Amino acid sequence: GESVGLHLPTLSVQEGDNSIINCAYSNSASDYFIWYKQESGKGPQFIIDIRSNMDKRQGQRVTVLLNKTVKHLSLQIAATQPGDSAVYFCAENSGGSNYKLTFGKGTLLTVNP
Amino acid sequence: EAGVAQSPRYKIIEKRQSVAFWCNPISGHATLYWYQQILGQGPKLLIQFQNNGVVDDSQLPKDRFSAERLKGVDSTLKIQPAKLEDSAVYLCASSQRQGSKLFFGSGTQLSVL
Repeated sequence: GESVGLHLPTLSVQEGDNSIINCAYSNSASDYFIWYKQESGKGPQFIIDIRSNMDKRQGQRVTVLLNKTVKHLSLQIAATQPGDSAVYFCAENSGGSNYKLTFGKGTLLTVNP
Repeated sequence: EAGVAQSPRYKIIEKRQSVAFWCNPISGHATLYWYQQILGQGPKLLIQFQNNGVVDDSQLPKDRFSAERLKGVDSTLKIQPAKLEDSAVYLCASSQRQGSKLFFGSGTQLSVL
């Protein structure tokens, strides 16, 4: 069946360090992946996305890596700041052209000053 | 640009009561989604609209949940009668078209006692 999950439910880092959040997916047909950030009391906020024809995409302080061989997705945050503290979700498009997002359980990132 | 608006922000009801949530998407966004997010989990899609038509309601518990998007703009999600397990945050999201970036509202937190 389709599922998206995270290896680590919580991650605690020091301010200024780099953070890596991991995600495993099981649907090899998924063609589009997105990372969302959700702060307490707010809805998920888009961070970065990647299509299955790519293996790396960079944004401002964030990089997403996609390894289709092992069905693994990661989000790297450079120079992590206290404002990065939130729950991070990966999501995959499991509906093809019908575009149906399936979210993973989430990883809580805590940045210590 | 105004974001996705949702109301109410919080709602507390007793089981077997009815409740309705309202969503106003970003102006011009054709696609509207309702997600259910249970505490500690990722959002789960309940229903997706394209303009005023339903694209996907496969995970909507139709015996108690209903949703409509009259005129292809605002949407309401109703639960009747509510059960304890319906306690969750109900998130509305919209996108310009199917397959483009989703923008989420802050959600309605429902507690069923």
